[in-house]
Amino acid sequence: EDKVVQSPLSLVVHEGDTVTLNCSYEVTNFRSLLWYKQEKKAPTFLFMLTSSGIEKKSGRLSSILDKKELFSILNITATQTGDSAIYLCATITNSGYALNFGKGTSLLVTP
Amino acid sequence: NAGVTQTPKFQVLKTGQSMTLQCAQDMNHNSMYWYRQDPGMGLRLIYYSASEGTTDKGEVPNGYNVSRLNKREFSLRLESAAPSQTSVYFCASRRDLNTEAFFGQGTRLTVV
Repeated sequence: EDKVVQSPLSLVVHEGDTVTLNCSYEVTNFRSLLWYKQEKKAPTFLFMLTSSGIEKKSGRLSSILDKKELFSILNITATQTGDSAIYLCATITNSGYALNFGKGTSLLVTP
Repeated sequence: NAGVTQTPKFQVLKTGQSMTLQCAQDMNHNSMYWYRQDPGMGLRLIYYSASEGTTDKGEVPNGYNVSRLNKREFSLRLESAAPSQTSVYFCASRRDLNTEAFFGQGTRLTVV
């Protein structure tokens, strides 16, 4: 059975801190890993990672995939209160069409 | 540019009632999905449709049925609602295996 495990499940930091969110996976026929941010409503796409060791970056957010150790991290530098959200990790396989999600990390950034 | 549209946004049902959640996408995507989200559980796949004319069960299909009406529309039906189906339901669509999924705004369903 495929597994996607995120840690920590919740996190509280102060504005300006740097945070690292983790996503490990055990997936048969792995293709890609995706990160989403979910505020009040729909998850919004952040990154798709397919190749190992190549960092994806968007502003203060960055992510990298390690296909040998089967994990990905999402870094957020200089956090702001607007970064408060649930961050979801999902995997895609070559043999299926579904995205398999982890349980998410709930991040709260306090002023 | 609507993206993925779900209706209704909120619904309260009595146990045993039936209803259909509607989803439509205007991005000409091939695959469509229904997920449910419960506190602390992430997003769990109910059913998906890899392409028009096909549907498959996901992780938690019991108590649900789906119809891929055409390429744009994918509906989720609860035939006899149960309190355990109280949840937030998300529809999503995706062009192909190399692209991300786009989500609708969700339907908050309460079964009393």
